[in-house]
Amino acid sequence: SQQGEEDPQALSIQEGENATMNCSYKTSINNLQWYRQNSGRGLVHLILIRSNEREKHSGRLRVTLDTSKKSSSLLITASRAADTASYFCARLTGANNLFFGTGTRLTVIP
Amino acid sequence: DVKVTQSSRYLVKRTGEKVFLECVQDMDHENMFWYRQDPGLGLRLIYFSYDVKMKEKGDIPEGYSVSREKKERFSLILESASTNQTSMYLCASSLWTSGVRYNEQFFGPGTRLTVL
Repeated sequence: SQQGEEDPQALSIQEGENATMNCSYKTSINNLQWYRQNSGRGLVHLILIRSNEREKHSGRLRVTLDTSKKSSSLLITASRAADTASYFCARLTGANNLFFGTGTRLTVIP
Repeated sequence: DVKVTQSSRYLVKRTGEKVFLECVQDMDHENMFWYRQDPGLGLRLIYFSYDVKMKEKGDIPEGYSVSREKKERFSLILESASTNQTSMYLCASSLWTSGVRYNEQFFGPGTRLTVL
């Protein structure tokens, strides 16, 4: 499938712990983007990492990209209850097509 | 603040009705998109537009049409709604930069459409 896989499908952690979500894909990419979706709402862009980058940070978020393994991970450090949401990766291919995964549902327990 | 608005948060229609979903962005973005989101399937692109009056089919255009008469407005039309079009519909916009259409996308809040 062009969509690739997100792993895990669901994750439940205690507040203050770190959360790691993974995204794997099959075709080469131009960039990879991570989005957050709160329940029943639209998506919010978090980070974009280009194919020639290996790591990016934004506040408590850290994204890594390993193009040799065709995978990316999103790390949220010191999680808060407000981080409870679904997280999606979206892969931009060289043909200028963007494919979203099915998401990881993160629950942070206060 | 960047803003994408959609005309309705919730909509209930009957089979066979013509349905209009409106999306407006205030960022002067060239690109606008319509997605549908279903459990277990993620987001799937229905149509996108890269300029006024220009449109291209996405992955699942069947049963839908679009209209972009003004840069800030992109409409999704269900010519004859069917129950399998019950879904969450998300509109998004983005800048065209360096030949890349899919830079950071800004999403609207979504319209949850139920077709009875």
